[in-house]
Amino acid sequence: GQNIDQPTEMTATEGAIVQINCTYQTSGFNGLFWYQQHAGEAPTFLSYNVLDGLEEKGRFSSFLSRSKGYSYLLLKELQMKDSASYLCAKVDSNYQLIWGAGTKLIIKP
Amino acid sequence: GAVVSQHPSWVICKSGTSVKIECRSLDFQATTMFWYRQFPKQSLMLMATSNEGSKATYEQGVEKDKFLINHASLTLSTLTVTSAHPEDSSFYICSARDAGKDYEQYFGPGTRLTVT
Repeated sequence: GQNIDQPTEMTATEGAIVQINCTYQTSGFNGLFWYQQHAGEAPTFLSYNVLDGLEEKGRFSSFLSRSKGYSYLLLKELQMKDSASYLCAKVDSNYQLIWGAGTKLIIKP
Repeated sequence: GAVVSQHPSWVICKSGTSVKIECRSLDFQATTMFWYRQFPKQSLMLMATSNEGSKATYEQGVEKDKFLINHASLTLSTLTVTSAHPEDSSFYICSARDAGKDYEQYFGPGTRLTVT
């Protein structure tokens, strides 16, 4: 099956920078999404990458390397409200989303 | 734009009863809708994919006779949990895809089902 791998949990300090990595199988790739999910809520869209490189959107940036099957989400100037789970999802050859298990990010003061 | 609503947001029902959850795309036409289930501290699990006017495609291990999905219009899909049991208690989330938006899925707010 398709494996989308990302760390289970990460901890960072308010005001700092954190990078959440995601690796996936390169076959049948049609893009990669990052979603944020607060506890008890539905996921919300953060970014979509289909070409190599870094896309910056405010405090959040997302990077993609198609040849390496690798993406990361970079969060700058961390705020307490950024404490959430971050889900990486690959768009497969059937244009379905294959979800990672999510990375729980804990922000400490 | 791209708002998806879900109703109800939470429901408590007795074991053996059926529960219907509605998912609506409010400002776009959703040719495809997805139903997910999420247990506490776990990731999203895709249950089924529904296309307007056709039968839903269920993921392996999901009982189609227990989880009835109807996608009768381009803005409405329903999930009916039949003969619910306590193990069906979960967070059910729908999403809708606007094909003109790079395959992004727009999520509803979710429905928390508790079966007693």
